[in-house]
Amino acid sequence: QVHVVQSGAEVKKPGASVRVSCEASGYRFTDYYIHWVRQAPGQGLEWMGVINPSDGATTYSQEFQDRLTVTSDTATQASYMFLHSLTSADTAIYFCAREPLLYAYGLDFWGQGTLVTVSS
Amino acid sequence: DIVLTQTPLPLPVTPGEAASISCRSSQSLLHRNGHNYLNWYLQKPGQSPQLLIYLGSNRASGVPDRFSGSGSGTDFTLKISRVEADDFGLYYCMQDLQTPRSFGQGTKLEIK
Repeated sequence: QVHVVQSGAEVKKPGASVRVSCEASGYRFTDYYIHWVRQAPGQGLEWMGVINPSDGATTYSQEFQDRLTVTSDTATQASYMFLHSLTSADTAIYFCAREPLLYAYGLDFWGQGTLVTVSS
Repeated sequence: DIVLTQTPLPLPVTPGEAASISCRSSQSLLHRNGHNYLNWYLQKPGQSPQLLIYLGSNRASGVPDRFSGSGSGTDFTLKISRVEADDFGLYYCMQDLQTPRSFGQGTKLEIK
């Protein structure tokens, strides 16, 4: 049975960094991309970036190019999203979701979301 | 970058009635393999999004057959034949033809 579980809520001060983890189980971790998507309060979904856990290759949205880092660890079947130089505009729920490497079958399993609050 | 535009944004519907949401892309989403790289998601209040439709018209596992996706190229439609209470929430289209991936603004299906 597939499970995608994210780390708990975070409160950060402006200028700080945050790490959100995404732990996967129940499937071969290296057969699926991990995407990161965020949702600001009352707003829509915003794609941030993606990692291929089989080789660690990443692609980021231009909007986050300078301060986003996504990694993966095949031993623990986890992906990590690091966002630096936080501002209040980064207050949002952050989701991870998997997508098959070989087929465009959509983001079929999502984590429960992690609320990141940036406040002084 | 590909921009997706959804209409309408709020969609008031009476349970039991049909509903239809449009998603228009700024570029064709038709891959040379003949598939349209457009997905639909539903986000219920307080929950993560869930996949409804992939490759334009394929229902994801467990999705009721009252949901259907159609369209090709730049124009796509999600139809719900008879809206049920569990269907209310935010609907998003998303393209996976190229990175950066992009979502539509979201259509709120609400009770009329």
